Amino acid sequence: TQLLEQSPQFLSIQEGENLTVYCNSSSVFSSLQWYRQEPGEGPVLLVTVVTGGEVKKLKRLTFQFGDARKDSSLHITAAQPGDTGLYLCAGVGGKLIFGQGTELSVKP
Amino acid sequence: DTAVSQTPKYLVTQMGNDKSIKCEQNLGHDTMYWYKQDSKKFLKIMFSYNNKELIINETVPNRFSPKSPDKAHLNLHINSLELGDSAVYFCASSLRMTGELFFGEGSRLTVL
Repeated sequence: TQLLEQSPQFLSIQEGENLTVYCNSSSVFSSLQWYRQEPGEGPVLLVTVVTGGEVKKLKRLTFQFGDARKDSSLHITAAQPGDTGLYLCAGVGGKLIFGQGTELSVKP
Repeated sequence: DTAVSQTPKYLVTQMGNDKSIKCEQNLGHDTMYWYKQDSKKFLKIMFSYNNKELIINETVPNRFSPKSPDKAHLNLHINSLELGDSAVYFCASSLRMTGELFFGEGSRLTVL
């Protein structure tokens, strides 16, 4: 069974701080997706990483796919209150497998 | 125009009742899904349909029955509701099985 371990589960930081969320597995994925979910809404795709070692940037968010395509990270620089939400990674194998999520709270 | 819409947004009901949640997508996608998100925010796939055919049926009690009248609609009927069924149920669609998921806003089911 493919599993995705996401850490940390909860993160509460002050505005302006940096943070990293990790998504790890013992399985190889063909690609990995990152979603953000705000309260009362469904998750929305942020990015898909496909190639081992790939780095993608979305403004202050940097996504990296591990060389072996088993892990990924999301780094946020100078977090803002608008970054608050649930961040979910999802590995693509035969089907999409979601991590447990990271609840981020950024306080002004 | 909402891409994936599901109704109702909130459902409060008693144990033992039967309820349905409806979902429609106007994105022209072939694949639709039902996900369950529990109180710990874990998102677990329940069912997946591709062009009205059931593709994924995870370990879900047979009290849950999905129905896809056409590829733009995927409804979920739940019989004999139990306390543990309380959760947020998300409908989603994608162009292909492992592509980007487009989620609805969720239907929060509370079983009393």
